Amino acid sequence: DAKTTQPPSMDCAEGRAANLPCNHSTISGNEYVYWYRQIHSQGPQYIIHGLKNNETNEMASLIITEDRKSSTLILPHATLRDTAVYYCIVRDYNAGNNRKLIWGLGTSLAVNP
Amino acid sequence: DTGVSQNPRHKITKRGQNVTFRCDPISEHNRLYWYRQTLGQGPEFLTYFQNEAQLEKSRLLSDRFSAERPKGSFSTLEIQRTEQGDSAMYLCASGVASGANVLTFGAGSRLTVL
Repeated sequence: DAKTTQPPSMDCAEGRAANLPCNHSTISGNEYVYWYRQIHSQGPQYIIHGLKNNETNEMASLIITEDRKSSTLILPHATLRDTAVYYCIVRDYNAGNNRKLIWGLGTSLAVNP
Repeated sequence: DTGVSQNPRHKITKRGQNVTFRCDPISEHNRLYWYRQTLGQGPEFLTYFQNEAQLEKSRLLSDRFSAERPKGSFSTLEIQRTEQGDSAMYLCASGVASGANVLTFGAGSRLTVL
């Protein structure tokens, strides 16, 4: 079973920041938080990952709470092309051979003009 | 490198027929994964390879399913005696064994079993 909880859907106005929450209250010390997104009829696309510290790349920012029980993915200036299902996943970085990702239902983000 | 390539993109078949999907990963990636995704659900893990070795198989992978990666490069996923419940998107992803193991996915192969 997925170890994360996300709202099923969210809306965002084009040009505004999209803040997507994720709850992972049972996360363990070795588990990282990964975010992927899936645009309709395409394969998932990696966005960002982190352990404790906040992370930023060209696509998004990841804010992880101090207790690591939740995180927020931030798309700073959402565009229509950001409309997708966003998946938050936790995975043990040092799981040996067991490195598969376990996916939940994600958040369907609709960016509106 | 053009990323992860999957063929065919769409396959319609009749129940009971065999189908085979091919995945060409990013050339320097030694890990290759197969996932299945049905409408409205997240991807479900099926199996993965490190080089040519198949290291894990999901319980979802019944005896009718077989996957190979003979030379540690491309992989095939075969489904024998297809059933309507096999209708889904079959996703392939590749990555490297070290580091964060970020996965790059292909566009998927959509199977419809009539």
